[in-house]
Amino acid sequence: DTEVTQTPKHLVMGMTNKKSLKCEQHMGHRAMYWYKQKAKKPPELMFVYSYEKLSINESVPSRFSPECPNSSLLNLHLHALQPEDSALYLCASSQPTSGGKRNIQYFGAGTRLSVL
Amino acid sequence: AQSVAQPEDQVNVAEGNPLTVKCTYSVSGNPYLFWYVQYPNRGLQFLLKYITGDNLVKGSYGFEAEFNKSQTSFHLKKPSALVSDSALYFCAVRDIGSSNTGKLIFGQGTTLQVKP
Repeated sequence: DTEVTQTPKHLVMGMTNKKSLKCEQHMGHRAMYWYKQKAKKPPELMFVYSYEKLSINESVPSRFSPECPNSSLLNLHLHALQPEDSALYLCASSQPTSGGKRNIQYFGAGTRLSVL
Repeated sequence: AQSVAQPEDQVNVAEGNPLTVKCTYSVSGNPYLFWYVQYPNRGLQFLLKYITGDNLVKGSYGFEAEFNKSQTSFHLKKPSALVSDSALYFCAVRDIGSSNTGKLIFGQGTTLQVKP
C-alpha cells in the first residue's frame, strides 16, 4: 500500500478564518512533506519533517503552521491567508534515509484551497 | 546548484505511436533522477527512478527512461502511447544537499497530449 490520504479534498475559507489540512500515511515513512502547487506548475516545497521534527522550512510565511503529532500524521494549520495562497496543497511521505534507493516520495491527492 | 530542465511545455502524439518526454539535468556528483505523472486534480504518481546501474530504467504503466550521462539527459519513453497517458509529467532530481530529507527539485513539467 502506497497511499497518502489528505483531507479535506476541497476547502474554501475567508481571509480571517482558521482551518487545518490533514495528511495521513501508514507506510512507516519517517519523512513527510508539504508542497504548494499552482495550476500547471511544479510543486513548491514548503516544509519537511524528518522523524517528527521540522527539518526544512522553505521561508514559508507564518500564516502557515505545520505540525507533526506522530509518525503517521501531518497537519498544516492555516490562519489569515491571502487570496494568492489559493492552490493545491500536496502532502508526501518517504523514507528519510541517505541512500537514494528509498527516497521515493509518495504523494496524496491534495487539498484544493480557495481563499476568498 | 542542481537543476532539471524540461524543454517542451507540451508534447503531442498520436495513439499507438512512440512518445518521448525530454529532461536534462545539471548536478554535481551522481544524480538521483525521478519521473512523476500528474493527472488532472490529482497528486503526483511515481513512475520510475534512476539511482545507479542500468541506463535503461523500466517503470510503471509501460514507461521507461534512458539515462545518458554524456548528454546529461533522462528522457521518458513509451513504445506505444495511449489516450489515457495524457497528463502532466515532471522530471525531478534529488537535492544532494538535503542530507536525509530527500528534497526534490522539479522541472517545469511537460503536458503530454495523446490523440486518438
